[in-house]
Amino acid sequence: AQSVTQLGSHVSVSEGALVLLRCNYSSSVPPYLFWYVQYPNQGLQLLLKYTTGATLVKGINGFEAEFKKSETSFHLTKPSAHMSDAAEYFCFGNAGGTSYGKLTFGQGTILTVHP
Amino acid sequence: NAGVTQTPKFQVLKTGQSMTLQCAQDMNHEYMSWYRQDPGMGLRLIHYSVGAGITDQGEVPNGYNVSRSTTEDFPLRLLSAAPSQTSVYFCASSLLPPRLAGIEEQYFGPGTRLTVT
Repeated sequence: AQSVTQLGSHVSVSEGALVLLRCNYSSSVPPYLFWYVQYPNQGLQLLLKYTTGATLVKGINGFEAEFKKSETSFHLTKPSAHMSDAAEYFCFGNAGGTSYGKLTFGQGTILTVHP
Repeated sequence: NAGVTQTPKFQVLKTGQSMTLQCAQDMNHEYMSWYRQDPGMGLRLIHYSVGAGITDQGEVPNGYNVSRSTTEDFPLRLLSAAPSQTSVYFCASSLLPPRLAGIEEQYFGPGTRLTVT
């Protein structure tokens, strides 16, 4: 079963607007969650990662994510979108149950930024 | 360090052919894994390895074999290529395997774009 779910396969914002990309997880073991970004025709680059501790995680390029256990969410935000943020974003983490070997990706969210 | 390298970058196969996608890392990472990326489906785990000599199946292992004879290399073999295996394949590695204490950052290779006709 999918353990990491991204809501919305496409998100479109205007330059300067708030970016919100949604990720929910399901895990019966402590979750370890990441956000990765993939620019067109490139590999994957780490944006930020959550480990136990601080619930607000700051990443590169002005992105941050808040871990909310009560909502089983790890949404990615950026206060002001830039044209260069256009890319596909993936939420990523450990599988549900007791397995730690299997890491799973969400389905991905393509972010489009309009001038 | 070269990081995670993958060869080839592009490959076209005919149905039924076999081939090996190469993946190597020079960071002495214990954990290595293979994913395939298909539109709308994110990246799906094919196989993974927590160390030399140890491999296990991921979410979509059918039609693929792996082995891990050294720490550095983790080749992915397609036994008899099918059009459904047309995809972009990514290899990833991390210093330690995922475990209760935490999950390390995964380092990804540049990918191999495979087309099966």
